[in-house]
Amino acid sequence: EVQLVQSGAEVKKPGATVKISCTVSGYTFADYYIHWVQQAPGKGLEWMGLVDPEDGDTKYAERFQGRVTITADTSSNTAYMELGSLRSDDMAVYYCARDRSRSCPSNDFWGQGTLVTVSS
Amino acid sequence: IQMTQSPSSLSASVGDRVTITCRASQSISTYLNWYQRKPGKAPKLLIYAASSLQSGVPSRFSGSGSGTDFTLTVSSLQPEDFATYYCQQSYTTPITFGQGTRLEIK
Repeated sequence: EVQLVQSGAEVKKPGATVKISCTVSGYTFADYYIHWVQQAPGKGLEWMGLVDPEDGDTKYAERFQGRVTITADTSSNTAYMELGSLRSDDMAVYYCARDRSRSCPSNDFWGQGTLVTVSS
Repeated sequence: IQMTQSPSSLSASVGDRVTITCRASQSISTYLNWYQRKPGKAPKLLIYAASSLQSGVPSRFSGSGSGTDFTLTVSSLQPEDFATYYCQQSYTTPITFGQGTRLEIK
């Protein structure tokens, strides 16, 4: 059974950095991209970026470029999303999601979500 | 690539047939996916590649379209279908989502 299990909720101060983990099981980690998606309260889904666990290659959304780092550790089957210089509008639920196919991307399995609260 | 869904919200009854549309700001071939999201839950993939039904998704869900115009149809609404639906283009990065369509019970 494919599973993506994310780390727990975080409370951070403005300007701080948060790092969320996404540990996968039930498939070969290196074979599928991992995406990260943000959902802020009352807002829609926003794609943040992806990592290819096979070689560590990444792509990022321009809105988060320079503040986000996505990595993958094949030894632990875990992907990470680190977001720095946190501000109030970063308060959101963050999801990791597996990419179903490199040739026709879509996200077939998702983590449970991690709530990040930004508050002084 | 900007994705625009319509309507933004929709009221319907159990048993109704409903259609949600999604328009891309440029051609994306069939690199279009549909997701269902319920409060407090992760999004669920319904349709990928514009018209392919994801495994385990009821056949009352269907998708169509290519190029810039796409539709998601639910042939006969069930109580569990009341949720928010998002389209997503995966033709190129940055991957982008539509703003969502909230489907409510009439």
